Amino acid sequence: RKEVEQDPGPFNVPEGATVAFNCTYSNSASQSFFWYRQDCRKEPKLLMSVYSSGNEDGRFTAQLNRASQYISLLIRDSKLSDSATYLCAVFTSGNTPLVFGKGTRLSVIA
Amino acid sequence: DTAVSQTPKYLVTQMGNDKSIKCEQNLGHDTMYWYKQDSKKFLKIMFSYNNKELIINETVPNRFSPKSPDKAHLNLHINSLELGDSAVYFCASSQGPGKQFFGPGTRLTVL
Repeated sequence: RKEVEQDPGPFNVPEGATVAFNCTYSNSASQSFFWYRQDCRKEPKLLMSVYSSGNEDGRFTAQLNRASQYISLLIRDSKLSDSATYLCAVFTSGNTPLVFGKGTRLSVIA
Repeated sequence: DTAVSQTPKYLVTQMGNDKSIKCEQNLGHDTMYWYKQDSKKFLKIMFSYNNKELIINETVPNRFSPKSPDKAHLNLHINSLELGDSAVYFCASSQGPGKQFFGPGTRLTVL
């Protein structure tokens, strides 16, 4: 099983739709979790951290399920500008690297 | 006032050449990284430096040699370039392990 796995998509959704992505991780000792957004031919940018109790930032909600070892990202009221690749990232401990998933591509269509 | 900058943005070169990519961050972060993103968009860590000291060195060929003259700079030198080195190389910095700030990337094409 790969360390961090995501459905590559693409997810094609109409404007205004709600869409959710999951990301599974294999190491139960993982401590910190993040969602990054990467636009085409651009660098990844931190979208939000994922807290144990779940957290919300505007239209975006991130959740962590430790028992099933996955994190999720929910986007409500999708905008055209949400079209991008969403990368999850998992950190375990100490000097281990942050491990990225391969990303899920989202296209929001007018 | 760019946070993490890299030069050059594009690099096209012949197989066998040696090239360098430079990275600078003005965020005051202690840790800097080099990542490689291949054609399949997989973002993989190559190196990490904390306060000029190498702390992560993933399985990367010896042809790749990072150098950190101070904690604001992390350069990457690549010897004897191969076709498989073609990719986008991102520099990043952070104060903690997860919240990383990436540079704009250097698109390397080896012919």
